[in-house]
Amino acid sequence: LAKTTQPISMDSYEGQEVNITCSHNNIATNDYITWYQQFPSQGPRFIIQGYKTKVTNEVASLFIPADRKSSTLSLPRVSLSDTAVYYCLVATGGFKTIFGAGTRLFVKA
Amino acid sequence: EAGVTQSPTHLIKTRGQQATLRCSPISGHTSVYWYQQALGLGLQFLLWYDEGEERNRGNFPPRFSGRQFPNYSSELNVNALELEDSALYLCASKRGEGEKLFFGSGTQLSVL
Repeated sequence: LAKTTQPISMDSYEGQEVNITCSHNNIATNDYITWYQQFPSQGPRFIIQGYKTKVTNEVASLFIPADRKSSTLSLPRVSLSDTAVYYCLVATGGFKTIFGAGTRLFVKA
Repeated sequence: EAGVTQSPTHLIKTRGQQATLRCSPISGHTSVYWYQQALGLGLQFLLWYDEGEERNRGNFPPRFSGRQFPNYSSELNVNALELEDSALYLCASKRGEGEKLFFGSGTQLSVL
């Protein structure tokens, strides 16, 4: 079961690009990498998912190097409303689907 | 399409009582996951149900139990409530392997 390591917290300013890196050294061949965003007292919300290389959607990009031992979530031009906890999840389809501690992003004006 | 729904939104109990939390997954999703999130902390995996069977459980005592019904909805039961059981309980569902999790808004359980 792949364990993930993320920075505990990050600060940024509005309009900046934010990159959050997650380490998952023992990722398995068939594991996917998924990122979630959580606001206080709400359930986590899916942001982006990938297996390798780069994935981009309307809110973020996900960069995964060839060895897949880490991944980087990139949030372009953050705003105050992006202040939240971001979780990196590495899991195969079932099993325990265990979340790491997450990264608290605080966006300042 | 309706999302994952959880009920009740809030639940207040006293120590020693029993609590029942309910979750309805998204239509077509057969897997249901339960997580506990204490205030300011991360998500702790509780239980995973798939096709009506318990597939795995986290490091919680046996007084945390649940089940999944034929319509894939799920119930989490917590017996002999303790003060430290106060937390947000989140339910999530997914369609199958490799699919993303969809979370409900949670049940805030307060044990007095």
